[in-house]
Amino acid sequence: DVKVTQSSRYLVKRTGEKVFLECVQDMDHENMFWYRQDPGLGLRLIYFSYDVKMKEKGDIPEGYSVSREKKERFSLILESASTNQTSMYLCASGQASYNEQFFGPGTRLTVL
Amino acid sequence: AQKVTQAQTEISVVEKEDVTLDCVYETRDTTYYLFWYKQPPSGELVFLIRRNSFDEQNEISGRYSWNFQKSTSSFNFTITASQVVDSAVYFCALSYPSGNTPLVFGKGTRLSVIA
Repeated sequence: DVKVTQSSRYLVKRTGEKVFLECVQDMDHENMFWYRQDPGLGLRLIYFSYDVKMKEKGDIPEGYSVSREKKERFSLILESASTNQTSMYLCASGQASYNEQFFGPGTRLTVL
Repeated sequence: AQKVTQAQTEISVVEKEDVTLDCVYETRDTTYYLFWYKQPPSGELVFLIRRNSFDEQNEISGRYSWNFQKSTSSFNFTITASQVVDSAVYFCALSYPSGNTPLVFGKGTRLSVIA
């Protein structure tokens, strides 16, 4: 079975902190994605990567950066956390753009 | 630009009722893929089905069925004899056939099945 794991299920941080969210997949997928999910807004794409060291901005990249040093790992970085970044963060991976994506369990981040 | 609309924000049904979740999409491409995902209360999105634009046959999997109609740009999802375990948020999504472009998701429909 495809496995996408995220480093934390729940995280509480303070405003201004630098936050790292880690995502690891074990199926050698080319593509990896970071979304945030908020009530009434559905899934919004933050960043995605289609190869090691490659990254593309999604719909809402402001305030975030990403890192993909290894194929299996895709990290989301909040450079200076703010309260409006309180959200559920979902990581996904997939073999190609037209194939299904496999999702991790999500990280519910609260910024105080 | 591609767009997916799930007009039903929330639906509530009584157990054993049938329920249909609507999905309408917009694309200028002739080749594309459509998806449905389920997000139970645990939070993890689960892939349900993928359908390419050249295959308009309806699909049935147990109590689940999907009706794809290119003429109306719709890809609706029906649950027959709903159960409490079907309670979840359901997302419809659309993708390009090639290249490194991500899925476009609808905003989801929250289904509550009441015992």
